[in-house]
Amino acid sequence: AQTVTQSQPEMSVQEAETVTLSCTYDTSESDYYLFWYKQPPSRQMILVIRQEAYKQQNATENRFSVNFQKAAKSFSLKISDSQLGDAAMYFCAYMGANAGGTSYGKLTFGQGTILTVHP
Amino acid sequence: ETGVTQSPTHLIKTRGQQVTLRCSSQSGHNTVSWYQQALGQGPQFIFQYYREEENGRGNFPPRFSGLQFPNYSSELNVNALELDDSALYLCASSLAGRAGNTIYFGEGSWLTVV
Repeated sequence: AQTVTQSQPEMSVQEAETVTLSCTYDTSESDYYLFWYKQPPSRQMILVIRQEAYKQQNATENRFSVNFQKAAKSFSLKISDSQLGDAAMYFCAYMGANAGGTSYGKLTFGQGTILTVHP
Repeated sequence: ETGVTQSPTHLIKTRGQQVTLRCSSQSGHNTVSWYQQALGQGPQFIFQYYREEENGRGNFPPRFSGLQFPNYSSELNVNALELDDSALYLCASSLAGRAGNTIYFGEGSWLTVV
């Protein structure tokens, strides 16, 4: 079974600075997707960024980028120029990409990291 | 706004009762998944429905059941409610065959069991 571990229950950052959230995962599958989701107090789960495992290039979305280390099974999220609106719970998630696999189309989430942004 | 709507948004039930939660999927999405998120935890996969049939199930007992309708909307039913069933229940819709493409979440249904 796949597992996702976020070792940082809480992180804080000053506005305009950079913060990195850590995530490791365990899988025996060769093809998969990794995601970072943001969940503000409204509880709406919002996709921040997505990485396809077969792509070596790290995904980037504006101020958000990832450091994907496939051999180490590590998938960290870097938030640059942090803004007050970035404050939320962040979840790392895994999904299998093989249509015949048991994890296909199903997300496995980590425990989450609460990010606080100080003005 | 994701186009995925869930109802009710909040409800309180008594232990032993039954509850039905509803989800309307994003237009064009034919797959619906349900997740349970306890307070302070990450969501846990309950099950997924595709073409009105269950297509995978997480580690949840049979008293958690579901339905998917021809219009792809879905229901989650929980029988014999227990206190530990208190959680946020999230519905997610997606398009089968394009795993990893955008998955849209609803805003969830808060269930409190007393």
